[in-house]
Amino acid sequence: GAVVSQHPSRVICKSGTSVKIECRSLDFQATTMFWYRQFPKQSLMLMATSNEGSKATYEQGVEKDKFLINHASLTLSTLTVTSAHPEDSSFYICSARRAGRTSTDTQYFGPGTRLTVL
Amino acid sequence: AQKVTQAQTEISVVEKEDVTLDCVYETRDTTYYLFWYKQPPSGELVFLIRRNSFDEQNEISGRYSWNFQKSTSSFNFTITASQVVDSAVYFCALSEDPGGFKTIFGAGTRLFVKA
Repeated sequence: GAVVSQHPSRVICKSGTSVKIECRSLDFQATTMFWYRQFPKQSLMLMATSNEGSKATYEQGVEKDKFLINHASLTLSTLTVTSAHPEDSSFYICSARRAGRTSTDTQYFGPGTRLTVL
Repeated sequence: AQKVTQAQTEISVVEKEDVTLDCVYETRDTTYYLFWYKQPPSGELVFLIRRNSFDEQNEISGRYSWNFQKSTSSFNFTITASQVVDSAVYFCALSEDPGGFKTIFGAGTRLFVKA
């Protein structure tokens, strides 16, 4: 199967600090990874599409300077929440799309990272 | 604009009851993909099914079945003989491609199955 991991699973930080969340595809290469945000008891909202070796594409309303995305390799994308504030507290979920596959593949989701900003 | 509506916010059933989760979607694309995901309390999304817009065949997988009707833009999900382990939030989602580009999720339906 296709496994996607996220690290850390939980993080608590102070307001004003930056937090980095890693998303790794463990057994496949992913040219594209997606970052979602989920507030408590709400749905997932796509934040950005991360493409290996190029700039991420952000959805409308998502601050790219606030949520820095780096997709440096075919197995790793990172999301950095800069100068975090309590309103950034959320469940962040990544997903990865397997490279080289088209019509038959889908995105594989990571287990999520719960960020709490005090 | 694309949209996914899951009108049922919460459903509570007793074990062994059948339950249907509704999903209605809107899209202008002629080719699109519909998904159902399960999110248990742990938070990790579990993929259940993907259906493309050209395949209206209903599908059954064990206790799960899906009814896709393009005429009503619906993609409903039925759990037969529900079990406590089915308790979770279920999301219906719509994407323009099978790999998940621009996936739009519905608000989710929280299912409680009581013993």
